[in-house]
Amino acid sequence: DTEVTQTPKHLVMGMTNKKSLKCEQHMGHRAMYWYKQKAKKPPELMFVYSYEKLSINESVPSRFSPECPNSSLLNLHLHALQPEDSALYLCASSQPSQGMDDEQYFGPGTRLTVT
Amino acid sequence: DQQVKQNSPSLSVQEGRISILNCDYTNSMFDYFLWYKKYPAEGPTFLISISSIKDKNEDGRFTVFLNKSAKHLSLHIVPSQPGDSAVYFCAARYNTNAGKSTFGDGTTLTVKP
Repeated sequence: DTEVTQTPKHLVMGMTNKKSLKCEQHMGHRAMYWYKQKAKKPPELMFVYSYEKLSINESVPSRFSPECPNSSLLNLHLHALQPEDSALYLCASSQPSQGMDDEQYFGPGTRLTVT
Repeated sequence: DQQVKQNSPSLSVQEGRISILNCDYTNSMFDYFLWYKKYPAEGPTFLISISSIKDKNEDGRFTVFLNKSAKHLSLHIVPSQPGDSAVYFCAARYNTNAGKSTFGDGTTLTVKP
């Protein structure tokens, strides 16, 4: 199983809502990532978890709150978002980088619209 | 400051010909480079990578060339097929900052039958 799954596929939320994005992988990967991608732009790294511990936070606003309940699951909790947060949110996983073979496997993304 | 640049937003080639996608980087600490392919409504898919200790890596129709002195890499696809039509992202990272890949803006490749 080389698949990363993300739910929901699409999400529309108001600025006062609280919602969560979910990501799951069963490849035994111990590194998981959240990216944000705007149209015609590259993925921008938000968070990295390595062995269920947050290892990188790219100065993401606190209205985005990641959580890694176990080695297979990664959540992104959303609260009080702004319209400019509308984007495709991608989850990825890989083996933690010890050497070179750490290509990331991406999920299909959640298309988020903040109204 | 964009550390990884793909200066061609789009490329169109005829089926069967060679596609060459280019990528330039500015950070000399980068020691590992990856290419990802992205179809619409899907996440990026890893294609091929190269370590800075090599200058070429080949996998089937895909070859990546690295010129460290020029801080330039390229992806060659031979022969190109219509199914190769996608957005191609170049990414780079350095080993002491494991997990953090910096992506270029992407090049949209269209392979015409």
